[in-house]
Amino acid sequence: EPEVTQTPSHQVTQMGQEVILRCVPISNHLYFYWYRQILGQKVEFLVSFYNNEISEKSEIFDDQFSVERPDGSNFTLKIRSTKLEDSAMYFCASSEAHLDSRETQYFGPGTRLLVL
Amino acid sequence: ILNVEQSPQSLHVQEGDSTNFTCSFPSSNFYALHWYRWETAKSPEALFVMTLNGDEKKKGRISATLNTKEGYSYLYIKGSQPEDSATYLCAFYNQGGKLIFGQGTELSVKP
Repeated sequence: EPEVTQTPSHQVTQMGQEVILRCVPISNHLYFYWYRQILGQKVEFLVSFYNNEISEKSEIFDDQFSVERPDGSNFTLKIRSTKLEDSAMYFCASSEAHLDSRETQYFGPGTRLLVL
Repeated sequence: ILNVEQSPQSLHVQEGDSTNFTCSFPSSNFYALHWYRWETAKSPEALFVMTLNGDEKKKGRISATLNTKEGYSYLYIKGSQPEDSATYLCAFYNQGGKLIFGQGTELSVKP
């Protein structure tokens, strides 16, 4: 069964460093998302991406964050200058349809980011 | 601010017990409610997408109901097994494709 994959599974970085989290969505999916879960808190939406553009972003997704689909398979989340409060589990998800509430979003296993 | 709440936060049951938990969400501007099952170190697994008031969906021993007028959904597990141990997440679909998640119910089933 097709699945969303994410690399790395864990990343430790120093405050102020740039990190790039990578995701390979399911191959025929067109709509991509990033979510994150800070330890002990709810999973929260960061950004959705379709047709090489951001469709929607949350207040969390400020200028320090960017997303890119550099080729036909990868979808990346870059944090330019990490802060301690960026420590979280970051999930990538993808869906087949665009803006369809009935459409399942398929999640990857997450990247645990720790900022020291 | 849209808020999704789940209760209880955690649940410990014995193998064979049936159990249920609740997801509460805004009753206005409803599009869909998604249920996920999340085991540690694995991807959250989609269980159900519920869209219509009165919807009932079933997958094996797990079923869910939906009441959009009063803003709640119940997830039931019949005859819990140790492999059902996981965190169960509900998520309210909002405009722009974003899912707004509850905090999850952590289920532990003891043999």
